[in-house]
Amino acid sequence: DTEVTQTPKHLVMGMTNKKSLKCEQHMGHRAMYWYKQKAKKPPELMFVYSYEKLSINESVPSRFSPECPNSSLLNLHLHALQPEDSALYLCASSQVEQSNQPQHFGDGTRLSIL
Amino acid sequence: SQQGEEDPQALSIQEGENATMNCSYKTSINNLQWYRQNSGRGLVHLILIRSNEREKHSGRLRVTLDTSKKSSSLLITASRAADTASYFCAFVGQTGANNLFFGTGTRLTVIP
Repeated sequence: DTEVTQTPKHLVMGMTNKKSLKCEQHMGHRAMYWYKQKAKKPPELMFVYSYEKLSINESVPSRFSPECPNSSLLNLHLHALQPEDSALYLCASSQVEQSNQPQHFGDGTRLSIL
Repeated sequence: SQQGEEDPQALSIQEGENATMNCSYKTSINNLQWYRQNSGRGLVHLILIRSNEREKHSGRLRVTLDTSKKSSSLLITASRAADTASYFCAFVGQTGANNLFFGTGTRLTVIP
């Protein structure tokens, strides 16, 4: 079992739907991350939150909207997605946003856009 | 692109053999990390080596780093079937922020 919990595990949605992915950690970590991983490819960073504030946005389209309501929770709101957005979405956390901190990953949400 | 390159892309060995995978990158780095990903699961951190270190050990894992060649290698000794997974190197630039750039990955299969 991982210490970072992501829900749902699977999500199928149409291009006009609005849905949210949820990530939770109770390790007291103050940095949280969203990654996108296509099949047989490495993860690609989307967003970084540090102390509940958005720290890095890797030029992600606005149809992806992150939210960090508190230090334990990270959401990714989805709206008007495209078929190419189908992927595994991984959440991770680290103690703080410093480069010597290993990241702890959840098992991801597998998203399919119809 | 700041993505790293790994080789081989895929590696198949018998249980008990050693497995070596290599990572190359293009930028200056602060540290380099290795992660494992089992099929359908998230990534698990294995080991971190700082830019001023040349070699590091953790159990059956041995990592080397050559910053002059911008390359790293991961050696898994006495492999087990449970080591079957994809292995990614990941590195952080010198900005100090913890935004990881991952290598292309090596798919390791250990045959019992």
